[in-house]
This record gives sequence, structure tokens and C-alpha cells, in this order.
Amino acid sequence: DTEVTQTPKHLVMGMTNKKSLKCEQHMGHRAMYWYKQKAKKPPELMFVYSYEKLSINESVPSRFSPECPNSSLLNLHLHALQPEDSALYLCASSQEAGSNEQFFGPGTRLTVL
Amino acid sequence: AQSVTQLDSHVSVSEGTPVLLRCNYSSSYSPSLFWYVQHPNKGLQLLLKYTSAATLVKGINGFEAEFKKSETSFHLTKPSAHMSDAAEYFCVVTSTGFQKLVFGTGTRLLVSP
Repeated sequence: DTEVTQTPKHLVMGMTNKKSLKCEQHMGHRAMYWYKQKAKKPPELMFVYSYEKLSINESVPSRFSPECPNSSLLNLHLHALQPEDSALYLCASSQEAGSNEQFFGPGTRLTVL
Repeated sequence: AQSVTQLDSHVSVSEGTPVLLRCNYSSSYSPSLFWYVQHPNKGLQLLLKYTSAATLVKGINGFEAEFKKSETSFHLTKPSAHMSDAAEYFCVVTSTGFQKLVFGTGTRLLVSP
């Protein structure tokens, strides 16, 4: 299995809602990543988890809260988002943090009303 | 420090003609270089990678790229474009041990019949 899966594919939420994005991989990778991508822009790194511990937080606002319950799963909890947070959220994984090649999931298209 | 410059924001070709997407990089370390492709509303798919082995790298779907250290370039080519190649292409640089990928701004490839 060489896939990274993400659910849901699409999410619409109000500014007072709480929701979560989910990412899963079964490649035995020990590093997982969250990226945010706005239209016509490259992905921007948000968080890096290495061996289930947060190793990089790119000064992301606290309304985004990552969680890595085990080595295969990565969640992104969302609360009190703003309309400008609307974007494609991509998850990726790699064998180790710093092992270069990252495998990306299909993304969750988030719209904040 | 590392950076990537994709020299063209858009490239238009006719189906069956060659494709050239240009990428220059800057790195203080031995670089690893990648090309990723992103079709509309999809995640990123790895096309090919250079990690200090052969300088001519073959990837999926007939794409290849040549690492030229003297020119600090890693241009992506394909002999004959297909309609399904229309997408956004990202050139990416990193180095072993670095947890972050450095993305170029992307090149939109348009293929006309």
C-alpha cells in the first residue's frame, strides 16, 4: 500500500464550528506532515511529526491543532477558523523526517463561511 | 539556504510537441531535487527525483530531468506532450536531514489539441 488517504474530501464549516481532518498511511513511515495550499500557490508547511512527536510548527495559529495518535494516523483539529483559512489541506508522509521523498494525499478542500 | 526558481509561470504547447519546464536551484548542501505534478483539485504526485546518483533522471509518464551542477539547473522535459499532461508542476529542493521541502512557485502547463 503506497497511498496516503485523507478524509473528508470536502468540508464546509462555519466560523464557530469544530471539525477535524484525518490522514492515514500504511507504508510504515515515521514522519507525517500537514500543508496548506491556497489557489495557484505552492503548498506551505504547517506541521511536521516525527515518531509521533511534533518536531516543527511553522508558527501556525492555535485555531489549528495537530494530533498524531499513532504512527499511521495524523489529525488536524479545527476550531474558530476564519474565511481566509479556506484552502486545500494536504497531508504527506516520508520514511523519516529528513528522508527527502514525501508522499502526498489527495487533500481536503476546506471552505470556511 | 535553499531556494528554487521556476522560470516560467505558464508554458503552452500543442499536443505531440516537446515540453520544457525550467527550474534553477540554490543550495548550500548536496541537494535532492524533485518534480511533482498536481492536477486540478488533486494532491501532488512525484514525477521524478534526483538524489546524487545518475544526473539524467527518468520519471513516470515519459518525463525526464537532467541535473546540471554547473548551471544549477534541473529542467523537466518530455518528447511529446499529451492532453493529460496539462497540470501544475512544482520543482522542489531539499537536502538529506532537512525536514522541509522548498517549493518553487509552480509552472502551469497548458496543452492544446
